[in-house]
Amino acid sequence: LAKTTQPISMDSYEGQEVNITCSHNNIATNDYITWYQQFPSQGPRFIIQGYKTKVTNEVASLFIPADRKSSTLSLPRVSLSDTAVYYCLVGPRNAGNNRKLIWGLGTSLAVNP
Amino acid sequence: ETGVTQTPRHLVMGMTNKKSLKCEQHLGHNAMYWYKQSAKKPLELMFVYSLEERVENNSVPSRFSPECPNSSHLFLHLHTLQPEDSALYLCASSQDRVGNEQYFGPGTRLTVT
Repeated sequence: LAKTTQPISMDSYEGQEVNITCSHNNIATNDYITWYQQFPSQGPRFIIQGYKTKVTNEVASLFIPADRKSSTLSLPRVSLSDTAVYYCLVGPRNAGNNRKLIWGLGTSLAVNP
Repeated sequence: ETGVTQTPRHLVMGMTNKKSLKCEQHLGHNAMYWYKQSAKKPLELMFVYSLEERVENNSVPSRFSPECPNSSHLFLHLHTLQPEDSALYLCASSQDRVGNEQYFGPGTRLTVT
């Protein structure tokens, strides 16, 4: 089973770029890497997903090296509202696959004024 | 109402009580999930329903009993719980069990006294 490891916490300031790295040494060939964001008293919210190289959407970028044993979530120019817990998730996308989805412990990001 | 809703948002119950958690999704998805979120632990997947059929039960104690009467509703029936069952219980839904792109509800904060 693919286990993920990420920093427990990070601090940043408004306007800075934040990079959160997740390690997943045992990632399987058909596993995707997904990041979620969670605010207090809310359920996690999907941010971005990728398989290899780089993926970018309107809120974040995801960088995945060739060996796929790690990934980096990049948040450009963070604001106070980006203060949240960020989870790295590794698992299959295909329906019917019996492998369990593995959630990390999450990285608590604090954005300061 | 849109998205995934859960009721109640907060619940306090004694160990001898019987209660139920309710989840409703308004997204037209055909898969629904129950998760348990405890402090300092990864998100734990409890049950998965696909097209109203339970397809995954991750060694959850029998004091937790899920029910999925249709693709929009999911219940978690609780009886004779233990204090260690106190946690945030999250419901999620997805289309076609694409497990990594799930939409979560706000959760029910359960306290067992």
